[in-house]
Amino acid sequence: QVQLVQSGAEAKKPGTSVKVSCKTSGYTFTTYYIHWVRQAPGQGLEWMGVIDPSGGSTNYAQKFQGRVTMTRDTSTSTVYMELSSLRSEDTAVYYCAKRGGSSGSNWFDPWGQGTLVTVSS
Amino acid sequence: DIVMTQSPDSLAVSLGERATINCKSSQSVLYRSNNKNYLAWYQQKSGQPPKLLIYWASTRESGVSDRFSGSGSGTDFTLTISALQAEDVAVYYCHQYYSTPYTFGQGTKLEIK
Repeated sequence: QVQLVQSGAEAKKPGTSVKVSCKTSGYTFTTYYIHWVRQAPGQGLEWMGVIDPSGGSTNYAQKFQGRVTMTRDTSTSTVYMELSSLRSEDTAVYYCAKRGGSSGSNWFDPWGQGTLVTVSS
Repeated sequence: DIVMTQSPDSLAVSLGERATINCKSSQSVLYRSNNKNYLAWYQQKSGQPPKLLIYWASTRESGVSDRFSGSGSGTDFTLTISALQAEDVAVYYCHQYYSTPYTFGQGTKLEIK
């Protein structure tokens, strides 16, 4: 079955960077885009961006432009999300999620289990 | 950006009764060339990632109970849960995937009365 398994929780200082991994299995890695969504404690869902694992092209939300980098490793079917210049407001659970269907079908299914990133001095 | 607004923010319904959650988009998410609404619904239980319930506004995901149904078109959408069960306690989100940045409603917390 399709699975997305994320790396473990991270505690970071303000101004540093974090890199979260999302290892996929159960389907052809290059066929489906992977999205990143975050959720601050007790808050709603916020889309950060998407990567096409086939060619590596990305589309980031304007809010995160210049601070986020999404990459992939086709040899391990893994996608990475790096967020730099961290501040306390970046404290959140970060999720990766697979595009649900073919081109244009950009609902998210399934989701990874989430990675808690805590930013504190 | 397309703003998604859900109502109500929270809802308490008796077991076996119907729950209705509304979602309104600031602009149409209906793509006229294929007549599809680019709208999904998710259920998020405490401490878990969201789970897809509905896509294309009304297509139920495989394995999802038929007590869940989606309706609406253009800018106004509804998620209906018939015959509420205890396991339905969760936060529900609508999501537009019509254009980037993809956006979500603020969530509706569903509880048992």
